[in-house]
Amino acid sequence: RKEVEQDPGPFNVPEGATVAFNCTYSNSASQSFFWYRQDCRKEPKLLMSVYSSGNEDGRFTAQLNRASQYISLLIRDSKLSDSATYLCVVNRLGSQGNLIFGKGTKLSVKP
Amino acid sequence: DTEVTQTPKHLVMGMTNKKSLKCEQHMGHRAMYWYKQKAKKPPELMFVYSYEKLSINESVPSRFSPECPNSSLLNLHLHALQPEDSALYLCASSHDGTSGTKNIQYFGAGTRLSVL
Repeated sequence: RKEVEQDPGPFNVPEGATVAFNCTYSNSASQSFFWYRQDCRKEPKLLMSVYSSGNEDGRFTAQLNRASQYISLLIRDSKLSDSATYLCVVNRLGSQGNLIFGKGTKLSVKP
Repeated sequence: DTEVTQTPKHLVMGMTNKKSLKCEQHMGHRAMYWYKQKAKKPPELMFVYSYEKLSINESVPSRFSPECPNSSLLNLHLHALQPEDSALYLCASSHDGTSGTKNIQYFGAGTRLSVL
């Protein structure tokens, strides 16, 4: 099982749609979880951290299920500007600061 | 301010050249990272510096040589590279990489390297 696995994508959705991304991780002892966003030919940027209690930032909601080792990101009312690759990121235990990146899921929001 | 500055933005070099990539942050972060990213792939970790000491080297070939002159600066020295080393090289920093929000890494815009 890969350390971090994401939906293969790409996701092509119309403006205003709700889209959900899923991610699973293999190390049950992982403690830090993030969603990063990467635009074409740009650097990854932190979208949000993910907590067990779930967290919301505007149209974005992230959830963590430790029992299932599953992370999700929900985007409501998609905008054209949401088009990007979304990277699921988990810390690698025993290795200070070492983050493991999923392969990313590409989202294209169409008019 | 969560800015990590990388120079140059673009670099073209021959296989016999020696060049350096530079990275700077003024957020007081004590962990800094070099990543390599190929097209349509996620970033691959190369090196981690923690409190100016090299803590992780992900079996990177010796033609890549990192250096951390002080807590704000990180360099990557390049020598005798191969065409397959062409990629986007990303620098990142984090508070100290220990746990929780201290793990959050902030990335520079990267150096797009082409090796001819």
